Amino acid sequence: GAGVSQTPSNKVTEKGKYVELRCDPISGHTALYWYRQSLGQGPEFLIYFQGTGAADDSGLPNDRFFAVRPEGSVSTLKIQRTERGDSAMYLCASSRGSLQRARQETQYFGPGTRLLVL
Amino acid sequence: AQKITQTQPGMFVQEKEAVTLDCTYDTSDPSYGLFWYKQPSSGEMIFLIYQGSYDQQNATEGRYSLNFQKARKSANLVISASQLGDSAMYFCAMREDNQGGKLIFGQGTELSVKP
Repeated sequence: GAGVSQTPSNKVTEKGKYVELRCDPISGHTALYWYRQSLGQGPEFLIYFQGTGAADDSGLPNDRFFAVRPEGSVSTLKIQRTERGDSAMYLCASSRGSLQRARQETQYFGPGTRLLVL
Repeated sequence: AQKITQTQPGMFVQEKEAVTLDCTYDTSDPSYGLFWYKQPSSGEMIFLIYQGSYDQQNATEGRYSLNFQKARKSANLVISASQLGDSAMYFCAMREDNQGGKLIFGQGTELSVKP
């Protein structure tokens, strides 16, 4: 079956512009996660969806960042007024969303979107 | 305080030899899971192995095994019979039951396998 897909694979934009990054999770996975990975670092959590709702958005760095998942499948991460410091790899992951066995839920990652803000 | 610590920024191993990548963690939650991921230069995070805090035995998946020492709060990854294709970044991560779904990652270890 298909894995997690992310588009675009690369995005170059200018400071101050608006960008949208898309994530298509594994079919049937109800949980979806966004992470950001700066060069030479491990991924950092941004936001977690269970179905259509954001169960935890504590990792979003500021109000320029917003994510939606209107139908409980595809998710879009939106960044307004981009800054050079937003340049990073943005990773999306999905998991089955079994709340009873949350601890051992494996998250499967997509190939990421490399964002470069000039 | 760092929740996940990987103290080896880079490691070298000879092809066909075994290698251990270190990971220590910090949590007060008695219920948690530990994961290892591989990230090749292409960027995709590939799941390798999982260990639950209540698991009595060390996890194994093919050439990967996890040396879980709960009292020391360590979860080292052992790769046996290294292959050239094992060259990549390796990340240790933790998920705490009282913190919802998010994974907390370490800084990673870059493994290079020499022919």
